[in-house]
Amino acid sequence: GAVVSQHPSRVICKSGTSVKIECRSLDFQATTMFWYRQFPKQSLMLMATSNEGSKATYEQGVEKDKFLINHASLTLSTLTVTSAHPEDSSFYICSAGLAGGYTQYFGPGTRLTVL
Amino acid sequence: AQTVTQSQPEMSVQEAETVTLSCTYDTSESDYYLFWYKQPPSRQMILVIRQEAYKQQNATENRFSVNFQKAAKSFSLKISDSQLGDAAMYFCAYRSIQGGSEKLVFGKGTKLTVNP
Repeated sequence: GAVVSQHPSRVICKSGTSVKIECRSLDFQATTMFWYRQFPKQSLMLMATSNEGSKATYEQGVEKDKFLINHASLTLSTLTVTSAHPEDSSFYICSAGLAGGYTQYFGPGTRLTVL
Repeated sequence: AQTVTQSQPEMSVQEAETVTLSCTYDTSESDYYLFWYKQPPSRQMILVIRQEAYKQQNATENRFSVNFQKAAKSFSLKISDSQLGDAAMYFCAYRSIQGGSEKLVFGKGTKLTVNP
């Protein structure tokens, strides 16, 4: 149980375009989902906390207008990287927590390459 | 703010041997959760073990166990009978209970190499 999926696993896009990444909890309802960014050989950096039915809470230094997060249902959160640039190239990981629980379960990640 | 420190950027162990990964944290809270996550080359984060701070008994999951020293704010991970598949990055993480925050605070990670 507690499986989280992400789609796509890899995406290559041109500079200036927008990319949407989906995060789904497959076998449980997640009132809260989290979006992380991970640079090579580094730890995970929390970008934002996504709550179902409300606005996401962004970490300091993360541009809200660039990284749009929508949590429309208890099983789906999306991250849209708008007007992507090469410096946005990274590994993006989502996680979800069981309602009432305290453990986060992670998706397999999405590698974004912006040309 | 809480911080998590993993002082060993890299560790290595011989197959079938035991290795201990260190983790210390800083907090003023009395109750919280601690986790060890594993990130193999596939980059999928996998929960290894978790500990509630109010529990004195150290958590154990098969070959994985922790040494939780609350007063010392230490949370080390012991891997027994190491296997080649244990090779990965290991991240220690802290989660607050107070204030409604569900955020995880991660350490910088320890890269574990298992030698055959």
